[in-house]
Amino acid sequence: NAGVMQNPRHLVRRRGQEARLRCSPMKGHSHVYWYRQLPEEGLKFMVYLQKENIIDESGMPKERFSAEFPKEGPSILRIQQVVRGDSAAYFCASSPPSRGGNVLTFGAGSRLTVL
Amino acid sequence: EDQVTQSPEALRLQEGESSSLNCSYTVSGLRGLFWYRQDPGKGPEFLFTLYSAGEEKEKERLKATLTKKESFLHITAPKPEDSATYLCAVQASGANSKLTFGKGITLSVRP
Repeated sequence: NAGVMQNPRHLVRRRGQEARLRCSPMKGHSHVYWYRQLPEEGLKFMVYLQKENIIDESGMPKERFSAEFPKEGPSILRIQQVVRGDSAAYFCASSPPSRGGNVLTFGAGSRLTVL
Repeated sequence: EDQVTQSPEALRLQEGESSSLNCSYTVSGLRGLFWYRQDPGKGPEFLFTLYSAGEEKEKERLKATLTKKESFLHITAPKPEDSATYLCAVQASGANSKLTFGKGITLSVRP
């Protein structure tokens, strides 16, 4: 009866490296949302995915960031050539399949530090 | 663009001292207003969803209310374990369940 699982919980990268964050949704959930939380800022929506489809990526930076949710396996948020400004907590949330109006269940987050 | 503003940014209460947290919002067609609690180093934990003006929901010492422009989270006789950041979010009507969050209110309750 696990909730939303995120890993790694903490990740340290040097500028220019790549960061990969993984999210396994709750059992029975097929919709995944990624959020970023900067210090002293609220949670900012990044992307909404269903299996093999990106539904809404209106919050994703245009460069260096990508997300996928393959048919098998976890959702991946990928940040290429990281910069110090990417240091933040990244949260994944999931919801059951429906036409909207669902409660999002959040994971514990992945905290990225860029040196 | 959907917007959520929470006030105050931080609130310090004495144990047993009741108060209210405010959430003002603008949204293009409200499907639901959500309250979450977030403890340091953890993810947001769902508290309530309110769908229409006049609706109220309660859970232990917390009561959430909703009008057409704002929501309040009332905390009655708080305890130190109520210390956390309280997040308000809106969900617009449509097929997308994404939430737009405010910055949160950090509540500290002193014993």
